Amino acid sequence: GIQVEQSPPDLILQEGANSTLRCNFSDSVNNLQWFHQNPWGQLINLFYIPSGTKQNGRLSATTVATERYSLLYISSSQTTDSGVYFCAVERESNYQLIWGAGTKLIIKP
Amino acid sequence: ETGVTQTPRHLVMGMTNKKSLKCEQHLGHNAMYWYKQSAKKPLELMFVYNFKEQTENNSVPSRFSPECPNSSHLFLHLHTLQPEDSALYLCASSQATLAGPLGSYEQYFGPGTRLTVT
Repeated sequence: GIQVEQSPPDLILQEGANSTLRCNFSDSVNNLQWFHQNPWGQLINLFYIPSGTKQNGRLSATTVATERYSLLYISSSQTTDSGVYFCAVERESNYQLIWGAGTKLIIKP
Repeated sequence: ETGVTQTPRHLVMGMTNKKSLKCEQHLGHNAMYWYKQSAKKPLELMFVYNFKEQTENNSVPSRFSPECPNSSHLFLHLHTLQPEDSALYLCASSQATLAGPLGSYEQYFGPGTRLTVT
């Protein structure tokens, strides 16, 4: 089956820093989504990005489907950015989402 | 607020109890999902309903029994659970088509029910 690997597994930064999170996947996929899970467990969609680049405020994402990876950029980090960031890819055969293990981000004030 | 609500938010139950988790979505979606999130593991898809019909059951033990009475509501009935079933149970919804595969639609998640089995 498809393997989804996220790196780094953990990241601790000072407020104001920039960061890049990576998602590699092992096979062709229909689509890719980035999610943020806050410390209370709520998952929020960040980007729905099969290819190309999208930006939303301080966050942006780039997916290069031909090379099977996606990057999530967070600029000028705030403490509210803390949580776990998940990448999920959509399997071509049955449209199910396959999830990575996540990157746990801690932003210190 | 994502438009998907779940109750209860926390649940502690013994192995012989029967309880139910409830999910409701206010987004007009027709596909609903149950996921299990255990510590240190990726999210695991349990069940998928498309227009009230179950389309996926990812080898989930029979002690978990889903029910989808309409496109807005989804239940997960629990009985004789094991301590290893303790986890965060997440409900999600998305748009859907009647044609079969769900297609490339974004999923919206509820806040989850944190379940502890003692």
